Amino acid sequence: AQSVTQLGSHVSVSEGALVLLRCNYSSSVPPYLFWYVQYPNQGLQLLLKYTTGATLVKGINGFEAEFKKSETSFHLTKPSAHMSDAAEYFCAVIFGNEKLTFGTGTRLTIIP
Amino acid sequence: GAGVSQSPRYKVAKRGQDVALRCDPISGHVSLFWYQQALGQGPEFLTYFQNEAQLDKSGLPSDRFFAERPEGSVSTLKIQRTQQEDSAVYLCASSLDRDQPQHFGDGTRLSIL
Repeated sequence: AQSVTQLGSHVSVSEGALVLLRCNYSSSVPPYLFWYVQYPNQGLQLLLKYTTGATLVKGINGFEAEFKKSETSFHLTKPSAHMSDAAEYFCAVIFGNEKLTFGTGTRLTIIP
Repeated sequence: GAGVSQSPRYKVAKRGQDVALRCDPISGHVSLFWYQQALGQGPEFLTYFQNEAQLDKSGLPSDRFFAERPEGSVSTLKIQRTQQEDSAVYLCASSLDRDQPQHFGDGTRLSIL
């Protein structure tokens, strides 16, 4: 079955520290991969996407993610956390059709 | 406007009432999607339109849920005889085409009493 797994429903990091949010998927077809961020009472904003080409993808707000086919992973990173990064982050995948399948989300807290 | 617009932002209804949620996609976007987001969960797919054609409604949880996009632009999600389990945030997204990134509205938070 095709699925998206986000390890860690809550992640806390200190301001200035590395942010690492994990995403794994299971699929028999090459997927399209996305990371979205959601601030309270708002919709989802696209951070970055991977469709084809370079496996290291850079997005907005200093985030990047690397597609590793052998590990079926698409982890999100940022070298130095900022207070404004506190939000809910969702990994999402398109498995050969047009609809997004989302993970359950990771709430990122930044410790001053 | 420049983004996807949804109305109302908040809707409170009594169990058994019918509700209608509106989505105005980004101008020129061919594809339109509805998702349901329960509290503390990721969004789940409900239905998908390509222009006015509803190509996938596999995510609609019951026949009480109905969506339309008659002129290929504005879409309405209707829920009949609402139940408490329908309480959720309903998100609309649009994209230039099926494989392009989806842009989300701020959602409608539906509470069924």
